[in-house]
Amino acid sequence: AQSVTQLDSHVSVSEGTPVLLRCNYSSSYSPSLFWYVQHPNKGLQLLLKYTSAATLVKGINGFEAEFKKSETSFHLTKPSAHMSDAAEYFCVVYTGNQFYFGTGTSLTVIP
Amino acid sequence: NAGVMQNPRHLVRRRGQEARLRCSPVKGHSHVYWYRQLPEEGLKFMVYLQKENIIDESGMPKERFSAEFPKEGPSILRIQQVVRGDSAAYFCASSPLGTGATYEQYFGPGTRLTVT
Repeated sequence: AQSVTQLDSHVSVSEGTPVLLRCNYSSSYSPSLFWYVQHPNKGLQLLLKYTSAATLVKGINGFEAEFKKSETSFHLTKPSAHMSDAAEYFCVVYTGNQFYFGTGTSLTVIP
Repeated sequence: NAGVMQNPRHLVRRRGQEARLRCSPVKGHSHVYWYRQLPEEGLKFMVYLQKENIIDESGMPKERFSAEFPKEGPSILRIQQVVRGDSAAYFCASSPLGTGATYEQYFGPGTRLTVT
């Protein structure tokens, strides 16, 4: 069975502080993993992806994620939050020829 | 540099009416995916199409829903006899080739369907 679990439905951070959005997956196969961001009333934009190359993946806007097979995790981090980072974030697993989306984490950035 | 276009952005239908959602992929992309996002949920895969072919419709409800991607023109997601439970955001994505692990999917802004 394949699934994606985003452990926090809402995360709130102060501007300039680190961001951590957690994602765990289960997969019978070697998965590919993605993080997408969705701003209000907009489509999803790819932040970064892991496809069995380097386990630490750098994405756009200062985001990065680390694939940890032993923990079946792919957490998204950013050293310093910016107001423009406030959005919905989706962790996505591609396995078995299908994409599976997490339920999303809403990030609030407090000025 | 047009991305994925979806129209309409907002669609209101009464119960029992038909809804037609359109998706124009990125120019040169021949693979289209449709997803549905219910309130407070992630996106759920519905159907994957290439030009004139349905490749995978395992996420489509068995009744009232259909999709096509003709040789010319946009991809259409059609919902017949809509019910309140069809109210959702419907997203279209396109990619240049179908092996999703390698090729990024480009998402449109979505169509928000409200059934009254």
